[in-house]
Amino acid sequence: KQEVTQIPAALSVPEGENLVLNCSFTDSAIYNLQWFRQDPGKGLTSLLLIQSSQREQTSGRLNASLDKSSGRSTLYIAASQPGDSATYLCAVATGNQFYFGTGTSLTVIP
Amino acid sequence: NAGVTQTPKFQVLKTGQSMTLQCAQDMNHEYMSWYRQDPGMGLRLIHYSVGAGITDQGEVPNGYNVSRSTTEDFPLRLLSAAPSQTSVYFCASSRRTGWTEAFFGQGTRLTVV
Repeated sequence: KQEVTQIPAALSVPEGENLVLNCSFTDSAIYNLQWFRQDPGKGLTSLLLIQSSQREQTSGRLNASLDKSSGRSTLYIAASQPGDSATYLCAVATGNQFYFGTGTSLTVIP
Repeated sequence: NAGVTQTPKFQVLKTGQSMTLQCAQDMNHEYMSWYRQDPGMGLRLIHYSVGAGITDQGEVPNGYNVSRSTTEDFPLRLLSAAPSQTSVYFCASSRRTGWTEAFFGQGTRLTVV
């Protein structure tokens, strides 16, 4: 069974800092990996989708990388802002299922 | 553009009661799914559907039932609610299997007393 781990579980940084969130998975046979953002009491919003054949995807201040062979992905957030405070989840698609990590709770301090 | 709509947003049930969580999407997506989110456990797949008339079990299907009579709707039924089903439930959809970008509803917070 696919296991997805996210480290750290919580992170607090001052505004303007660049930061990296980590995601690892145990089975490299994935279709894709997706990063989501979840605000308290809300649903999940898709940030970036990386297909298994891709190495990275970028959207604005966000950059996600994928190393399928080592079972790792990172989400890089540049010049963090207080509005980036949320929980970030990664999920890998295997077969017809998506397996989620437990998330990293990010707080950006003004 | 409504996206994925879940109702209700909040619900309190007594043990043994039944209810249906509604999920509708207006994007003509083939794939729909239900997850539950519990503290420290992430999101776990309950049931999913790859098209109208086709459903299958996920990781935690016991105590839940689904059907998919139309492309747009994918209701989740709790047959006899138990306190262990207290959770936040999310419905998600995507264009096809193999997981293109997934869209999530806003969630239903269910408490079983």
